[in-house]
This record gives sequence, C-alpha cells and structure tokens, in this order.
Amino acid sequence: DAGITQSPRHKVTETGTPVTLRCHQTENHRYMYWYRQDPGHGLRLIHYSYGVKDTDKGEVSDGYSVSRSKTEDFLLTLESATSSQTSVYFCAISAGLQNTEAFFGQGTRLTVV
Amino acid sequence: AQSVTQLGSHVSVSEGALVLLRCNYSSSVPPYLFWYVQYPNQGLQLLLKYTSAATLVKGINGFEAEFKKSETSFHLTKPSAHMSDAAEYFCAVSDGSGNQFYFGTGTSLTVIP
Repeated sequence: DAGITQSPRHKVTETGTPVTLRCHQTENHRYMYWYRQDPGHGLRLIHYSYGVKDTDKGEVSDGYSVSRSKTEDFLLTLESATSSQTSVYFCAISAGLQNTEAFFGQGTRLTVV
Repeated sequence: AQSVTQLGSHVSVSEGALVLLRCNYSSSVPPYLFWYVQYPNQGLQLLLKYTSAATLVKGINGFEAEFKKSETSFHLTKPSAHMSDAAEYFCAVSDGSGNQFYFGTGTSLTVIP
C-alpha cells in the first residue's frame, strides 16, 4: 500500500470554527490532491499541489485553502466551517509521470454541526 | 477536457452472475483510464488501468475491462460475482500526464446471495 496517512480520521466541529486536515506521504510523490466525496457527486477535486509551495484550485475550492511546506505534507484548511462542508475528505498522491495512477488515503470523515 | 460518465448508480447481481459496470469517457487526447474500488469506510484502491498497451485489461480479483475507442467506453466486467465484490466502483480518466484525474459519480454494486 502507498504510504499515505490522513489525520484525523474523524472530526466533529461547530459551524464557524477553523479546521485543518493533514495528509502525510512517504512516497516522495510530486503531486498531492484533496478530494471530497458526497453521495451522488462522486469525488470532486478541491485543491491540488504540484510541488512545495505550488498549489492550484480544483472544481470546488470555495471555502478551502491549502498549504504544502514540505514534499510529504499537504494541509487542507476550512477557515470557517459550514454545514455544507460536512463530507468525507480524501487525500491522493501521484508521481505525475505518464501512465501513473493516483493513490488514496483512508479518508477523513468531517461533520460540521 | 476529460470526463467520465458511469451509467447506473446502483447495480444488483446475484452471486455467481456476470458483473457489468458501465463507463463512458470523453477526452480530447488519448485517454488513460482507471477503475477503482472502494469498500465501506476505506479509501479507493486501483482495480486496473488502461494505458494503451492492450485494449483488454485484466485487474485484481478477477475483474477486467475493455477499451473501445469507437464507443468511447471502458466497461468493467467479472464473469462470476462474489459476495466480497459488494462495494462502490469508480471509473476515472487522466490525460496521461499523471497530473489530473477525473472521476465518475460511482456505481454501488450489491451482490445478492
């Protein structure tokens, strides 16, 4: 299994509070991604990173920010959590080489009450 | 731009019956296609991938998929369903750069004993 660790695995937070989710990899892959998974929507890309301090927005980036200060760590921050951000969040990594696939972490279940 | 459409959000088959999960893709460049499986409360695992080497791709757990360019399809099949195949299945497409992955909305497979 690819070495991807997400923390925390579960979190309940109140509306309006900041939340940070962490993704740690041991594969030294260049690309890291944050997706959210919701019923009927599949996986939707929030943000991704193509190197240290290099990030870009995905299709559902509003309300989220990311940071990557080291190759192995990619943080997702909800500055002020809302109930619409209740979801399961997945981190993925990719070597960014032709024909390579994405590898996924185990997910973080976030509930905003 | 790349996208995938999975026909049928829920599929039920009897144990021992053929499994057929449908995926159609749209891509402006030669696509690289993937099938992932997700078991409850877990991340996504790669089942198989098409990278233009052969149109019939064999994956893990007895699954295979056939790339049909004329039909822009990449359907997943398994000759005989097993109870352990019950899971969510996702089709994904990449432009081959290994940078971006686009996922379908998923198909939930139920296996009836």
